[in-house]
Amino acid sequence: GNSVTQMEGPVTLSEEAFLTINCTYTATGYPSLFWYVQYPGEGLQLLLKATKADDKGSNKGFEATYRKETTSFHLEKGSVQVSDSAVYFCALSESGGYNKLIFGAGTRLAVHP
Amino acid sequence: DAGVIQSPRHEVTEMGQEVTLRCKPISGHDYLFWYRQTMMRGLELLIYFNNNVPIDDSGMPEDRFSAKMPNASFSTLKIQPSEPRDSAVYFCASRPVGTGSPEAFFGQGTRLTVV
Repeated sequence: GNSVTQMEGPVTLSEEAFLTINCTYTATGYPSLFWYVQYPGEGLQLLLKATKADDKGSNKGFEATYRKETTSFHLEKGSVQVSDSAVYFCALSESGGYNKLIFGAGTRLAVHP
Repeated sequence: DAGVIQSPRHEVTEMGQEVTLRCKPISGHDYLFWYRQTMMRGLELLIYFNNNVPIDDSGMPEDRFSAKMPNASFSTLKIQPSEPRDSAVYFCASRPVGTGSPEAFFGQGTRLTVV
């Protein structure tokens, strides 16, 4: 079945460091891909998305490119801030029919001053 | 719109008791999802509805769990009887039908503790 695999956390970085969180997926057809972020005590909220191959999603300095050839959707940010500390989830939405969201395990990011 | 509203935010109950979690989706959204989040298992999809009809309940862990959506603006997740291993944060999310894979909007969750 369809699945999402993320790099394990926690990821600990200093402020202004470069961030990469790896995400790969297994899916039939042409899924849409998402990154969600969860701040402490809150629900998940959409960070960015890409709906077809080679699309780049971006928001708040974060970027991810939909790579069909490597089935990947890695999250990157050039300079992280303490306020970026959260749990990040990669997800896919199955193509066609009833398109449920399937999430990866989540990666906790801690950014220190 | 106020977003997806879940109640209660926190629930502490004794083992064996019935627990009911409630969700009000965003008006006009056709899909409703129930997820469970734990440290060990991450975010698990329990069940989802389309136009109030359950589409996939394969993630519901046991017969002790049941979910209903009597109308477009309300859904419940019931656990009867509850057990300590049911302790988790339960999220409800809703999503519209549309092109371009619209995002799902999450509620703030219900933290359930079964003692």
